Amino acid sequence: KQEVTQIPAALSVPEGENLVLNCSFTDSAIYNLQWFRQDPGKGLTSLLLIQSSQREQTSGRLNASLDKSSGRSTLYIAASQPGDSATYLCAGVSGGSYIPTFGRGTSLIVHP
Amino acid sequence: EAQVTQNPRYLITVTGKKLTVTCSQNMNHEYMSWYRQDPGLGLRQIYYSMNVEVTDKGDVPEGYKVSRKEKRNFPLILESPSPNQTSLYFCASSRGTLYQETQYFGPGTRLLVL
Repeated sequence: KQEVTQIPAALSVPEGENLVLNCSFTDSAIYNLQWFRQDPGKGLTSLLLIQSSQREQTSGRLNASLDKSSGRSTLYIAASQPGDSATYLCAGVSGGSYIPTFGRGTSLIVHP
Repeated sequence: EAQVTQNPRYLITVTGKKLTVTCSQNMNHEYMSWYRQDPGLGLRQIYYSMNVEVTDKGDVPEGYKVSRKEKRNFPLILESPSPNQTSLYFCASSRGTLYQETQYFGPGTRLLVL
C-alpha cells in the first residue's frame, strides 16, 4: 500500500526566500502526484498535478517535480510571500487503485 | 462559478442520531468522493463514486453510507454516528478518474458527535 511522507512537518521562512517542500512515496508505480494548498478552516485547492509520464509542472512561482525512481516529489516556491502561508499537501494515486494517498502536510509560515 | 458545495458547514449532534451531509458539484464531473481529515492522520478517503449508481469503498468506509442517484449530488450518510466520527469532512469531484484528473474540494463540514 502506498505511503506518502512529507518533511518537514512545519517550516518558517522570511519573505522573499526560495523554498522546497518535499514529498516521498513508497510505491514507484504511481499514476500521478498532486500538490494542494489548504488554508486554515478551508478546503483544499489544487496547485499542480504531475502525471507519471511527466517530470515537472510549473504554475507561476510554483514548480513541482516528480522522480518515480527515487520516490520523491518536490514543490519549489520562488520568492515566497506572506500570502503563501498555508499547509501544503501532496497526494499520490498508484496503479490499480482509485484511492489517493495523502501526506500529512507541511505547514508553511512566511513572515514579513 | 465552478464549485463543490457542502451542507451543513458545521454540525453538532448526539450519538446514534442519523444525519446526512450533502455534497453538490456544478461541473458535470463524473468522479466524486468523500474524505475525513483528522489531526495526525491526514486525509483519508471514505467512499468514492465513478458515476451515477456506481460507488465503492475507500480506506475508511465503516459507519458511513453514500448514494449517487444524480450526477451532481453525492450525500454522505451516518446512520448511527459515534464520537469517533467527529472529524472534518470534505467532498471532492473530478472530471474523470484520478489517473488523469485533478480534484476540486468543497469547503468542508466540521462534525462533532457527543
